Amino acid sequence: NAGVMQNPRHLVRRRGQEARLRCSPMKGHSHVYWYRQLPEEGLKFMVYLQKENIIDESGMPKERFSAEFPKEGPSILRIQQVVRGDSAAYFCASSPDRNEKLFFGSGTQLSVL
Amino acid sequence: QKEVEQNSGPLSVPEGAIASLNCTYSDRGSQSFFWYRQYSGKSPELIMSIYSNGDKEDGRFTAQLNKASQYVSLLIRDSQPSDSATYLCAVKQGTGFQKLVFGTGTRLLVSP
Repeated sequence: NAGVMQNPRHLVRRRGQEARLRCSPMKGHSHVYWYRQLPEEGLKFMVYLQKENIIDESGMPKERFSAEFPKEGPSILRIQQVVRGDSAAYFCASSPDRNEKLFFGSGTQLSVL
Repeated sequence: QKEVEQNSGPLSVPEGAIASLNCTYSDRGSQSFFWYRQYSGKSPELIMSIYSNGDKEDGRFTAQLNKASQYVSLLIRDSQPSDSATYLCAVKQGTGFQKLVFGTGTRLLVSP
């Protein structure tokens, strides 16, 4: 049973470009979370999605950031017009139910030049 | 005041000793508490969860919770070099989905 799969593992973008981060949850998991880890800071909640629905996006910046979890395919975290401050590790986690424990993926390290 | 506070460390202990990691939280209504282990460059891995006051033991790990003092701790007995990692304390917000507030983590170094 494969774990939570994230790709790419590393992503380098120049300022102003778009970043797309992908997350495939564990088999049987329909709940997906995105967390961001800035250098020297703890993991910060960004967004919680179920299939085709955004349930809570209170941790996501209002501009440039969006997330989706379509009926088919991985969850996507999209960052438009990236800035240097977006450089961070972005972790996806999944769970089989809203109250169940989270399984984290290996993360995507985004570097903005 | 940070919502979840941890000493960043590093906490250095010799192999075989007990490592004690501490965490305080600000939301008195919190009900669910977690300890994650994160090796450098890797994903956080859940090692303990605790919901009631007192101790919860799992192998070499013991989680302790004191809601009155808003304090959570993790004890690692017989520490091994392979336990060297950053330990993240997380507190669940509310009673619904897994919206966790993490501390910045304590780096543990176990020397052979």
